[in-house]
Amino acid sequence: QVRLQESGPGLVKPSQTLALTCTVSGGSLNWSGGYYWTWIRQTAGRELEWIGRVFSTGSTWYNPSLKSRVTMSIDVSKKQFSLTLTSVTAADTAVYYCARQTIAAYYFDPWGQGALVTVSS
Amino acid sequence: DIQMTQSPSSLSASVGDRVTITCQASQDISNFLNWYQQRPGEAPKVVIYDASNLQTGAPLRFSGSGSGTHFTFTINNLRPEDSATYYCQQYETLPYTFGQGTKLEI
Repeated sequence: QVRLQESGPGLVKPSQTLALTCTVSGGSLNWSGGYYWTWIRQTAGRELEWIGRVFSTGSTWYNPSLKSRVTMSIDVSKKQFSLTLTSVTAADTAVYYCARQTIAAYYFDPWGQGALVTVSS
Repeated sequence: DIQMTQSPSSLSASVGDRVTITCQASQDISNFLNWYQQRPGEAPKVVIYDASNLQTGAPLRFSGSGSGTHFTFTINNLRPEDSATYYCQQYETLPYTFGQGTKLEI
């Protein structure tokens, strides 16, 4: 069974950079293709926002609302993918989820348990 | 971006009831819609994909329908464990977008 786990600092100061890593484990992964590796965040108001995705080749697609501040990357050998978000403000305080999207199916499954990131001085 | 509007934002029902949640898209998305269940403290979990297909492991009491701009999610014979927030999500156009959620209390 595939499992995803987010890791990274839970507190980031305003104007600094948020950095999270998602580690994939378990199951018979077709790691080299067939999936988009995705980041989604959920604010305290429970709204879900799709941040973007990275493919095994490293190609990415970001939400235009965050594009100027977001970078995603992937390390196939480590079975990890990562998210950085620069110039954070309090509005970036959220639970950040990593998730897998099957290219053929388009739904997100599974999800990581989520990582709460608070932006505060 | 495609806007997804759910209604109601919250509802209360009793064990054994039938409830329906509506999701309206701001433009035609065909059947490119998923439904997720999120229990408190947990990540969302897909329960319906492609508007009407029941995800493996999801209860048979769950069903989805609709196409174009209007979609519904129905739970028959409510159980206590159905207490959760439910979200619709479109994947017709990037960026993918979610409805604002419907909190269901049993």
